[in-house]
Amino acid sequence: QKEVEQDPGPLSVPEGAIVSLNCTYSNSAFQYFMWYRQYSRKGPELLMYTYSSGNKEDGRFTAQVDKSSKYISLFIRDSQPSDSATYLCAMSEGGGSQGNLIFGKGTKLSVKP
Amino acid sequence: DAGITQSPRHKVTETGTPVTLRCHQTENHRYMYWYRQDPGHGLRLIHYSYGVKDTDKGEVSDGYSVSRSKTEDFLLTLESATSSQTSVYFCAIREAGGIYEQYFGPGTRLTVT
Repeated sequence: QKEVEQDPGPLSVPEGAIVSLNCTYSNSAFQYFMWYRQYSRKGPELLMYTYSSGNKEDGRFTAQVDKSSKYISLFIRDSQPSDSATYLCAMSEGGGSQGNLIFGKGTKLSVKP
Repeated sequence: DAGITQSPRHKVTETGTPVTLRCHQTENHRYMYWYRQDPGHGLRLIHYSYGVKDTDKGEVSDGYSVSRSKTEDFLLTLESATSSQTSVYFCAIREAGGIYEQYFGPGTRLTVT
């Protein structure tokens, strides 16, 4: 079993829809959780990060972490065609070399006008 | 843009030839990383560096070597390129401390024929 599981999609939604993207993980030592957005033929860009459990909101984006269920989510409200990209979750235990990130394989999202 | 450049951006080479990819950063971050990204596999860590001349292996290090003689440059070398090393290679940097977020370069698309 991979440490981080992410449904690859593709996920297609109409413009204005609420999008829910999810990752599950097996390592209970993960404390730092991130979401990256990657446009086609570009490098991943950091979208949001959270430490430990809880929610974090930034504009149309909300990141949630449920450590008891080993489950993280990214919600996109009022989705736009410009949100069409691959979304990668990433996690870290923190501390020295353990600060390295473990990535999900990414979910490809398409928002149709 | 996290001040990261990668060169070359595209390269086609023949099986058995040596190849060196360069990652250059302008912000003196301590940590630097090399990943490869392949369909169905996501981002996989090849090697990373936690300081000048300090490097360590990642998940998929076989067939690759790295060097870091200056803070700003991290080189990835394929000693004898194989077709299985056809991939998109990303460099990333991380500040010491923080929440372990990494920032990625634009990528190098390598084709080994």
